[in-house]
Amino acid sequence: QSALTQPRSVSGSPGQSVTIPCTGTSSDVGGYNYVSWYQQYPGKAPKLMIYDVSERPSGVPDRFSGFKSANTASLTISGLQAEDEADYYCCSYVGGYTWVFGGGTKLTVL
Amino acid sequence: EVQLVESGGGLVQPGGSLRLSCAASGFTFSSRWMHWVRQAPGKGLVWVSHLNSDGSRTTYADSVKGRFTISRDNAKNTLYLQMNSLRVEDTAVYYCATDRSYSEDNWGQGTLVTVSS
Repeated sequence: QSALTQPRSVSGSPGQSVTIPCTGTSSDVGGYNYVSWYQQYPGKAPKLMIYDVSERPSGVPDRFSGFKSANTASLTISGLQAEDEADYYCCSYVGGYTWVFGGGTKLTVL
Repeated sequence: EVQLVESGGGLVQPGGSLRLSCAASGFTFSSRWMHWVRQAPGKGLVWVSHLNSDGSRTTYADSVKGRFTISRDNAKNTLYLQMNSLRVEDTAVYYCATDRSYSEDNWGQGTLVTVSS
């Protein structure tokens, strides 16, 4: 159950788009369409932003989108806003009713 | 409104035990799979355990297998995590979460477990 690979940090200016990659293997990200993304502010609980690779729960702005190609999933945030500055985590189903998270990416809005 | 409230965290010595609870309200608890996820101070999220709706199927991360036990009482709308043989590296905020299509969609506020002598 090795953690999925995410960059430690990304940054972008307001209005720009940023993409956060999440790399796994054919046993996790590449093997299932069950990749999810979470936003977490310091000291707060995580919030689900994307599930099933590209589905948005109600209330999540359509500026947030998810995609997957082979063993890499990605979260794209378009029209970056100051409030988007947070930590983002990917998570993948690994089979056998087990899951694995990525190491997390700190998004800085410049 | 979905609400999950964790409790039971605290300071425990290495080798000790602790039982966490997660009180659920605002949804049909008995029909939802549940998860425990933890986060060590300053570190990332780590999936810990999963339990299906009737409690008949449990799974664990390798790091806690054989030491932690997940369970639920659907009559009390409560999820539990019994933690035995605790180690310093188990120190973390523990979150309970509901499952939605193999993701964790509603989260509690977390409860801090500190393992230290």
